[in-house]
Amino acid sequence: TQLLEQSPQFLSIQEGENLTVYCNSSSVFSSLQWYRQEPGEGPVLLVTVVTGGEVKKLKRLTFQFGDARKDSSLHITAAQPGDTGLYLCAGFQGGKLIFGQGTELSVKP
Amino acid sequence: DSGVTQTPKHLITATGQRVTLRCSPRSGDLSVYWYQQSLDQGLQFLIQYYNGEERAKGNILERFSAQQFPDLHSELNLSSLELGDSALYFCASGLGGASGELFFGEGSRLTVL
Repeated sequence: TQLLEQSPQFLSIQEGENLTVYCNSSSVFSSLQWYRQEPGEGPVLLVTVVTGGEVKKLKRLTFQFGDARKDSSLHITAAQPGDTGLYLCAGFQGGKLIFGQGTELSVKP
Repeated sequence: DSGVTQTPKHLITATGQRVTLRCSPRSGDLSVYWYQQSLDQGLQFLIQYYNGEERAKGNILERFSAQQFPDLHSELNLSSLELGDSALYFCASGLGGASGELFFGEGSRLTVL
């Protein structure tokens, strides 16, 4: 079983639609990170959320950390083809940065 | 460009063989992390080094070993290779804190035939 469960695993939408990706755990994290990975490249950090209930915005991306610091969500408004990629949530446990299995997003023009 | 360099980018070898993957961390980063990424397992943590010392270990197989050298570059050695070891192997570097950002290399794609 994954320490961090992401849903959905796959998402295929049309340009202009909104979407939300979820990252859930039964464990408490001091912080959670969101990375984006494109084919042939390594993951790149998008944001770190630290405080329970925190909301961070990055242009059309909105990240939220759950009040209990066990879950996080990523909401994309008016998705564009350039948003296509693998979105990964990650958190430190015992000194190790553990990743969820990822959400593969495809945005069609 | 993350500043993390991994070589080789692609490697094809046979079962039973041994390979070494190399990673040069970003300038100033003391910590190196190794991950294995496969389609069915996702991004799996293997091992972390900090300033030459092993700091954390994941589900790394006994056939795999790693080290970090005084100049902070790191090597991941994979031996007695099996078909199931075919995967992307990523190195990442960071300052080493418990909440910091990791910077990933472009990965080494290993194919075992």
